[in-house]
Amino acid sequence: AQKVTQAQTEISVVEKEDVTLDCVYETRDTTYYLFWYKQPPSGELVFLIRRNSFDEQNEISGRYSWNFQKSTSSFNFTITASQVVDSAVYFCALSEAEDDKIIFGKGTRLHILP
Amino acid sequence: SAVISQKPSRDICQRGTSLTIQCQVDSQVTMMFWYRQQPGQSLTLIATANQGSEATYESGFVIDKFPISRPNLTFSTLTVSNMSPEDSSIYLCSVPHGVGTEAFFGQGTRLTVV
Repeated sequence: AQKVTQAQTEISVVEKEDVTLDCVYETRDTTYYLFWYKQPPSGELVFLIRRNSFDEQNEISGRYSWNFQKSTSSFNFTITASQVVDSAVYFCALSEAEDDKIIFGKGTRLHILP
Repeated sequence: SAVISQKPSRDICQRGTSLTIQCQVDSQVTMMFWYRQQPGQSLTLIATANQGSEATYESGFVIDKFPISRPNLTFSTLTVSNMSPEDSSIYLCSVPHGVGTEAFFGQGTRLTVV
């Protein structure tokens, strides 16, 4: 069965600091997809990234970067030079190829303090 | 991409009553998913709605409490039956990600049971 663990329930950092959100996953499938979503206080889910299990290349998008390591079953998310607008709940999620349903981690609530 | 419309966007209901939530997608999809997000919690998958067959429920969710209809490839409904205050949540429908794309979520239905 698939499982996503986000051990950090809540994180607070001062603006302009870098912050890394951890995500560890479990799956028995060899083909799977990993996601990060952001949920700001307004409540909508904002898609950030999708990676498939065959692509371990790390990705950078502006201030955001993702480190995918199959050896440790981790898909960590780093925000560089954080801003107050980054304050939100961030969800890591996993989908197995055989059924497409997405299972979410419990989320990490990130507070960026001015 | 897919555009998902959910109705109602919010409702306040009396305990013991039922509410039916509608989800309309602007393209044909084989599977649709229903999620629940309790206050301050993550998204939990309720069931997978397949067109032409009965929905598949996740552990902890039963058809009598959350009956689902899937009359065609663009529409589904979720009913929350015999509601209690514990059912107060946001309910979201979702369609799966395609190759190289994100999963799409409706805006959610914010339900309050009093």
